Amino acid sequence: GDSVTQMEGPVTLSEEAFLTINCTYTATGYPSLFWYVQYPGEGLQLLLKATKADDKGSNKGFEATYRKETTSFHLEKGSVQVSDSAVYFCALSDRNTGRRALTFGSGTRLQVQP
Amino acid sequence: GAGVSQSPRYKVAKRGQDVALRCDPISGHVSLFWYQQALGQGPEFLTYFQNEAQLDKSGLPSDRFFAERPEGSVSTLKIQRTQQEDSAVYLCASSLEAGEGYEQYFGPGTRLTVT
Repeated sequence: GDSVTQMEGPVTLSEEAFLTINCTYTATGYPSLFWYVQYPGEGLQLLLKATKADDKGSNKGFEATYRKETTSFHLEKGSVQVSDSAVYFCALSDRNTGRRALTFGSGTRLQVQP
Repeated sequence: GAGVSQSPRYKVAKRGQDVALRCDPISGHVSLFWYQQALGQGPEFLTYFQNEAQLDKSGLPSDRFFAERPEGSVSTLKIQRTQQEDSAVYLCASSLEAGEGYEQYFGPGTRLTVT
């Protein structure tokens, strides 16, 4: 079945540091890929998405590129802020199976220190 | 505009009790999903509705779990004879269209604790 693997956290960075959160996936078909973010005390929000190979999703300074050859969708940001502290989830939906539900990774907690 | 709302936000149940969790999706959203999120884990799919039709219930962990969306808007997730392993956050999400790849908007969740 489909699965998503994320690097374990917590990831602790100083403000303005470069961020990478690794995400790899296994899917039977050709999935769409997503990053969701959960800020403290809030619900999950879509951060960015990509629906085909080599697409780059971007939002709020975050980027991720859909790499079919390495089955990866790593999240990056050039300069993190304290306000980026949250839990980040990589997810996919697999159009080949017709299953519209999202399959999530286990989440990576990011802590940014001033 | 209003987002997805869920009630109650917190629920404590004694083992063996029945519980009902409510989800109010964004108005006009066709698709509705329920997920279960254990502590420190990502959400896991439970069931999916397209309007009032329950098209996928493959994620429901047992026949104690039941979901409905009778008029294609509000949905209720019911858990009968709760067990300790049912303790989790239950998330509801809605999506404007039925197609794959459309953004799912999540509610704040209901945290269920079974004692």
